[in-house]
Amino acid sequence: SQTIHQWPATLVQPVGSPLSLECTVEGTSNPNLYWYRQAAGRGLQLLFYSVGIGQISSEVPQNLSASRPQDRQFILSSKKLLLSDSGFYLCAWSSDRGNTIYFGEGSWLTVV
Amino acid sequence: RKEVEQDPGPFNVPEGATVAFNCTYSNSASQSFFWYRQDCRKEPKLLMSVYSSGNEDGRFTAQLNRASQYISLLIRDSKLSDSATYLCVVNYQAGTALIFGKGTTLSVSS
Repeated sequence: SQTIHQWPATLVQPVGSPLSLECTVEGTSNPNLYWYRQAAGRGLQLLFYSVGIGQISSEVPQNLSASRPQDRQFILSSKKLLLSDSGFYLCAWSSDRGNTIYFGEGSWLTVV
Repeated sequence: RKEVEQDPGPFNVPEGATVAFNCTYSNSASQSFFWYRQDCRKEPKLLMSVYSSGNEDGRFTAQLNRASQYISLLIRDSKLSDSATYLCVVNYQAGTALIFGKGTTLSVSS
């Protein structure tokens, strides 16, 4: 069966510090991969999605970036965090032809 | 106009009640529809897909009205464990990212 994991689960970072969240998927090949953010009191916002290695689409302009160095690995990064980057970050995957997406456990980021 | 809009919450109901959530979507080309459930501080999880003919899974019934661009979720005989936020979700094309509503919070009390 397919599984998805992301880490770290929780982190507190100072403004201006870098960020790296990592996500891996097991049990499937060539998945579509996604990063979403859920800020307090707001809905899920799509940040990035990827249909293959090295292929990244950005949905919103921001100081975040994403990379896909391997087929089942997706990384969310920032060089300098802002207070507004605080939120719940969710990695997700879907099959290359499927509709349903499945989420990782999420990462709670607090920028102070 | 927002892409996916849901009933404002919260819904506070007693155990055993029947409760219905509504959702509208703006893009008539939308192809796939889902309801996800999200518990507090947890990731969303698929509750059920929504099919054109309507579908039922135990106490849960989902319906789709393409003409009105409207989706609904009916929960019968509510349980305490149904307390969560329910997210209406739309997909325009297979393999592309899902668009989520902000969710409706349900609180079931004894």
